[in-house]
Amino acid sequence: QVHLQESGPGLVKPSETLSLTCSVSDGSISTYYWTWIRQPPGKGLEWIGYIHSSGTTNYNPSLKGRVTMSLDMSKNQFSLKLSSVTAADTAVFYCARADDTMYFDDWGQGTLVTVSS
Amino acid sequence: DIQMTQSPSSVSASVGDRVTITCRASQGISNWLAWYQQKPGKAPKLLIYAASSLQGGVPSRFSGSSSGTEFTLTISSLQPEDFATYYCQQANSFPLGFGQGTKVEMK
Repeated sequence: QVHLQESGPGLVKPSETLSLTCSVSDGSISTYYWTWIRQPPGKGLEWIGYIHSSGTTNYNPSLKGRVTMSLDMSKNQFSLKLSSVTAADTAVFYCARADDTMYFDDWGQGTLVTVSS
Repeated sequence: DIQMTQSPSSVSASVGDRVTITCRASQGISNWLAWYQQKPGKAPKLLIYAASSLQGGVPSRFSGSSSGTEFTLTISSLQPEDFATYYCQQANSFPLGFGQGTKVEMK
């Protein structure tokens, strides 16, 4: 079991880019699918996408091309960028790990990002 | 996209009760389904994968079953620590999706 920890600004202005990083400890970032999931306050879970250790990505089309994920093997971290944010993007963002079954067995604690001017 | 519909949206129950939550997929997903438990302010926790396989460390009072596109999570004897929100997730095809959640509340 790995430990995941999200980090990044808790407040982002509308139209700007949200940037988060997930640090992975107690395990290697090689293999597995490193995933971002978000949860608006009081609402359900939405899969944002993943980046595989090979660099392959897969994003939720509902986010209309605003998502970019990257991986830094040397730091055992992966990152999320979500551009052109609006208030509707306000959510708790979780990073999580999945294998090729796409079940999420390890999660970060989550970080709240609020979009507001 | 595959839609996952959970019912009920909430259930009131007492310690010791048997609780059943249903998740219906809008199309066939074989057994590519997981169940998660989420407590307030915490990340979801994987309980069951592949529709009926218990994740390591999860109490045996939790079980999952399936019939066609209908999936069921059963808590055989509700314990105080089981009051939480439960989500199903389909892993059959992209985009991956979750049900809207079922809140298990104290009666």
